[in-house]
Amino acid sequence: GENVEQHPSTLSVQEGDSAVIKCTYSDSASNYFPWYKQELGKRPQLIIDIRSNVGEKKDQRIAVTLNKTAKHFSLHITETQPEDSAVYFCAASISWRAGNMLTFGGGTRLMVKP
Amino acid sequence: DGGITQSPKYLFRKEGQNVTLSCEQNLNHDAMYWYRQDPGQGLRLIYYSQIVNDFQKGDIAEGYSVSREKKESFPLTVTSAQKNPTAFYLCASRRGEVANTEAFFGQGTRLTVV
Repeated sequence: GENVEQHPSTLSVQEGDSAVIKCTYSDSASNYFPWYKQELGKRPQLIIDIRSNVGEKKDQRIAVTLNKTAKHFSLHITETQPEDSAVYFCAASISWRAGNMLTFGGGTRLMVKP
Repeated sequence: DGGITQSPKYLFRKEGQNVTLSCEQNLNHDAMYWYRQDPGQGLRLIYYSQIVNDFQKGDIAEGYSVSREKKESFPLTVTSAQKNPTAFYLCASRRGEVANTEAFFGQGTRLTVV
């Protein structure tokens, strides 16, 4: 089955700096790559996603890039703010495969220091 | 107000007991999922269901059981066969018939064995 690895597991940045989280996936058939943010004790919520037919997507301070050849995708957060502190999960899924389930990476705890 | 609701928020179980976690959604989603989250780790798939009266094992199904008698409901039973059930359990739903759609999560149930 699909395997998603995520790095780093923890990331500490100064407010205003950029943060980058990277994920690799194993199944070349994966075609959907969402990123979820989970604040302490709360549910994961989608912040951005990308499909395999595009290489980059941006939404205000966050962006995601996808390299299908290398089977990796990354989340970029610019001008970080303390409220960006949370755990971020990447995921991958194959839309046409039975179940269409998401396989998640291990998560990155981002800490933004004021 | 549409969404996905899990109950209870906190659950305590004595060793040897079965407990059932509730998950209800009014989003008219076909697909529903159960994930387990351990501290500092990612989300691991327990069971999933694409349609009423059908469900499939995920990566860590041993010691768990589910049912899908109604589209809106996907309860998870943690049986006494689950050796280490203390964890945070998340239910999710997704529009199964449409590829590459957002998964919505419930607020989670924290299960503790006492």
